[in-house]
Order: sequence, then C-alpha cells, then structure tokens
Amino acid sequence: ETGVTQTPRHLVMGMTNKKSLKCEQHLGHNAMYWYKQSAKKPLELMFVYSLEERVENNSVPSRFSPECPNSSHLFLHLHTLQPEDSALYLCASSLFRDTLGYGYTFGSGTRLTVV
Amino acid sequence: KQEVTQIPAALSVPEGENLVLNCSFTDSAIYNLQWFRQDPGKGLTSLLLIQSSQREQTSGRLNASLDKSSGRSTLYIAASQPGDSATYLCAVRFLQGGSEKLVFGKGTKLTVNP
Repeated sequence: ETGVTQTPRHLVMGMTNKKSLKCEQHLGHNAMYWYKQSAKKPLELMFVYSLEERVENNSVPSRFSPECPNSSHLFLHLHTLQPEDSALYLCASSLFRDTLGYGYTFGSGTRLTVV
Repeated sequence: KQEVTQIPAALSVPEGENLVLNCSFTDSAIYNLQWFRQDPGKGLTSLLLIQSSQREQTSGRLNASLDKSSGRSTLYIAASQPGDSATYLCAVRFLQGGSEKLVFGKGTKLTVNP
C-alpha cells in the first residue's frame, strides 16, 4: 500500500446511474489529484485540489464532479456517464501542489466500466 | 507544447539482462522527473525522483539519469528479473508560467522472460 487508498477497486455502472469514487490519504499531504488512464493514452489530469480548494479543472465534462471535504479525502461523483468514460481512475497526492522536489504518491486506482 | 515521449513502447528481454528505458521531453525548464512502475490494472508506484539539479538517482538495481539540456532521461535496470515485468512511466514536472504541470509519457511495457 502506498498510503493513498482508493475505493472501490472495480465499478460497473449503467449510463443512468450515479456513483462515487473515494480517495483517502493520511500522509499529511495537502494536494490531491484525479487522473484518468485510458488504454494507450498518457495519464490525463482531471482535477487538482490544494488545501481543499479546487485549483485546476482540465476541461472535464460536468458529468464528473469532484469534492474535497478535507485534506485527507477526495471524491469523484459520477452521473450519466458514457461508455468512453470507461477507464482506470487514479488518485494521487503530494505534500503541496507546487512542491519543489517532492513527488507524487498514487493510489491503486478504480477500474470503471460504463455499460 | 510540453510533451513526454517514451521509447520503446514495449520491450521483451530474457532474465538477467541489463536494460535501458528511454524518456525524452520537449522543454528543459523542469522541476523534476519521476519514474513510476505500473502493474496491470493497478496504480502507480514511485521508483525514483530526480531533481532538476541532479544527474542521477539510484535505488537497488535501478539507476535513473537526467540530462536536462538534451531533454532526456534513462532508467537502467540491472540484472532484470521476471518480477520487473510491468509498464514503466516517466513523468516530467514542467515549469508553466508561475506554476508547474506534471506530464506523463505513455509508458514502456517491459516483459522479462524466465
């Protein structure tokens, strides 16, 4: 375990469903991120939270809605998804967002399949 | 545009061989570069982090080098083992205005055959 925990590990949902992905870290990090990993593509940054405030939204469709209630928890709320949204969703954290010299810690990901 | 390229996309070697994975990036204005390992369907595990002021980092059988001026990094794996089979990702933290941006390569899928 890396210290960043994601649940569930696997999720299958219909296009009309509403579900949420959860990410939790107790590393004392202040920045958290959602990434999407599709087949044969580089990781795509979706959202960045720094000190519980959303500081970056990389043109992500509104059917993805992030929430960061505190510095240890990050959620990604999903609704009316499309089959092309099927991917591995990875959560990461770092000490601070603009960390000079600090790396990222990733969770194991949630494998999402939209049917 | 800041991009990270990894070559080759896939590599298959016999056990015991020493090997080199390559990462190139388009902009020398970087904070650091990080190598990750990803097992199938799993998250990323950090292997090595090289600061922009450093030339290399070592951890066990792994050695990562950084040449900012040429926009290249290599990950050297000594005496490869079947357990090293995974996808290796290079991520570069670029300077972007007053902030930073982490850009990933597509990875190199390594298979070490017993």
